[in-house]
Amino acid sequence: QKEVEQDPGPLSVPEGAIVSLNCTYSNSAFQYFMWYRQYSRKGPELLMYTYSSGNKEDGRFTAQVDKSSKYISLFIRDSQPSDSATYLCAMSDGSSNTGKLIFGQGTTLQVKP
Amino acid sequence: DTAVSQTPKYLVTQMGNDKSIKCEQNLGHDTMYWYKQDSKKFLKIMFSYNNKELIINETVPNRFSPKSPDKAHLNLHINSLELGDSAVYFCASSQAGGRFFGPGTRLTVT
Repeated sequence: QKEVEQDPGPLSVPEGAIVSLNCTYSNSAFQYFMWYRQYSRKGPELLMYTYSSGNKEDGRFTAQVDKSSKYISLFIRDSQPSDSATYLCAMSDGSSNTGKLIFGQGTTLQVKP
Repeated sequence: DTAVSQTPKYLVTQMGNDKSIKCEQNLGHDTMYWYKQDSKKFLKIMFSYNNKELIINETVPNRFSPKSPDKAHLNLHINSLELGDSAVYFCASSQAGGRFFGPGTRLTVT
């Protein structure tokens, strides 16, 4: 069993839809949770960063962490064609800087105009 | 102003050759990394350096040798390239929190 599981999709939605992306994990020691967005043939870019459980909102993006269920989510409101990309969840147990960051496989999202 | 840069962007070479990828970051970060992304988009850590000191060394063939001449640079040398080494290699840096990734080097071994 992989430490971090993420449905690779692809996920296709119409413009304006609310998108829900999810990851599950098995290591209860994970404390730092991140979401990265990766456009085709580009490097991943950090979208959201959260510590421990709870919600964090940034514009159209909301990240949720439920440590009791070992489940994290990224919600995108009013999705735009420019949101079409692969979204990778990532998490770390110890030091957020020098600890290992474990990535999910990534979910490919397509937002159709 | 590129934060994390890598060269070359594309690398096509034959099996058995030796090649190097260079990485530089101008963010002033102490920690740098090499990641490998396979065809299924799975990103896996290879090495991590903190202030020029190796701190993470995953199960990577010893044909791969990282070198950090200073904390702004982290290079990756690969000896005796194999078909299975074909992938996209990303350099990244961090100070606290998330990683900042470079644009990637797409390596194709024929």
